[in-house]
Amino acid sequence: QKEVEQDPGPLSVPEGAIVSLNCTYSNSAFQYFMWYRQYSRKGPELLMYTYSSGNKEDGRFTAQVDKSSKYISLFIRDSQPSDSATYLCAMSGDFGNEKLTFGTGTRLTIIP
Amino acid sequence: SQTIHQWPATLVQPVGSPLSLECTVEGTSNPNLYWYRQAAGRGLQLLFYSVGIGQISSEVPQNLSASRPQDRQFILSSKKLLLSDSGFYLCAWSGSPSGTQYFGPGTRLTVL
Repeated sequence: QKEVEQDPGPLSVPEGAIVSLNCTYSNSAFQYFMWYRQYSRKGPELLMYTYSSGNKEDGRFTAQVDKSSKYISLFIRDSQPSDSATYLCAMSGDFGNEKLTFGTGTRLTIIP
Repeated sequence: SQTIHQWPATLVQPVGSPLSLECTVEGTSNPNLYWYRQAAGRGLQLLFYSVGIGQISSEVPQNLSASRPQDRQFILSSKKLLLSDSGFYLCAWSGSPSGTQYFGPGTRLTVL
């Protein structure tokens, strides 16, 4: 079993829809959770970062962490064609954070 | 603010030729530095990371090597490229307790 599982998609939704992207993980030591957005042929950019359980909102984006279920989500409201990208989740623990553990990414397309 | 640079942006090299990719970071001191490879449609594969000058950890045995001659410079090298070395090479830096990483624009390498 991989430490982090992420549905690779592809996922296609109409413009304006709410998008839900998810990752599950097996290591209970993970405390920091990140979402990256990667446009085609570009480097990943940090989108959201949360610590421990709870929700964090930034504009149209909401990151949610449920440590009891080892499940994290990224919600995109009022999706736009510019949101079309690959989204990667990543996580790390409280100690030895030299490395992040990444999901394989979900490819999202917003249809105008 | 911090900035990360990679060059070249694209590279086409024959099999058996040497390789040198460079990454530099501005605006921070003593960052952790990382080299990743991303094959088409695949996730991120960590190749090397460095927590300080001259300190290199290798994640995957292969014909690549890395060096960190200066605090904010990270170099990926090969003496003889293989076809399987083709891919998108990403450099990243980290400087926070969470291990959050920030990526460069990447180098697209094609080995023919």
